[in-house]
Amino acid sequence: SAVISQKPSRDICQRGTSLTIQCQVDSQVTMMFWYRQQPGQSLTLIATANQGSEATYESGFVIDKFPISRPNLTFSTLTVSNMSPEDSSIYLCSVLRVLNTEAFFGQGTRLTVV
Amino acid sequence: ILNVEQSPQSLHVQEGDSTNFTCSFPSSNFYALHWYRWETAKSPEALFVMTLNGDEKKKGRISATLNTKEGYSYLYIKGSQPEDSATYLCVITPQGGSEKLVFGKGTKLTVNP
Repeated sequence: SAVISQKPSRDICQRGTSLTIQCQVDSQVTMMFWYRQQPGQSLTLIATANQGSEATYESGFVIDKFPISRPNLTFSTLTVSNMSPEDSSIYLCSVLRVLNTEAFFGQGTRLTVV
Repeated sequence: ILNVEQSPQSLHVQEGDSTNFTCSFPSSNFYALHWYRWETAKSPEALFVMTLNGDEKKKGRISATLNTKEGYSYLYIKGSQPEDSATYLCVITPQGGSEKLVFGKGTKLTVNP
C-alpha cells in the first residue's frame, strides 16, 4: 500500500494568482500522477511526474500552465498558474506501485478560483 | 478515445436497501477494471481490481461482477448503511496494460438513515 499526504485540502484563490499543491508519499514510488476533476466531469490525467526529468503532459495540458516538480521518489508538486475560474476543480495526486494493480490517491485539493 | 460510462449518476436509498450500479466500457480496449470508493475530503479507496471475464469479487456487503465480452461491470451493495454514502468510481486500465487509468464520472450514493 501507499499513504499519500496531499496539501492543501482546499483553497479559494483570486484569478491571476498561482497555487502549488504538494503530495508526500510514505515510501519511494516510481510512478506518480496528477489528475483534475472539473465539476460534473471524470477525473482526467494532467501529467505523469517523472523523477529526475520533465513531467510528461497529456493532450490539452501544458507545462507553463501546470508546472510539476518531482525532486525525489517520495514527493511531487503541481502548480496551477495564472488561475481563472475554469481552473476550479478537484486536483488529485496518485501513485502506482505495480503496473495494472490498484492505484493510491491523495485526499484531493478542492480549488475555487474567484 | 476510451469512454467509461457509469449509471446512474446519483442514487438515494434508504438504510437497509440493497442497490447496484453499472459501469460500461469498450470490450475491445480493456485490460483491467477497478472500483474505487471516494468519500468527500478523503482519498479514493480501492475496492476491487478485476481482469477476467466472469470474475466476481466480494468485500463484506459489497460485491462486483465483470463481463469483459460485453463490456460491463456491476457493483452491488447489500443492506446499505449511511457509511456507504460515497461516490463509487469505475476505472479502466486500457488494453495492453498502462499506467494511464481512464475514469468514469462516478455514481454518487446517498444512504438515508
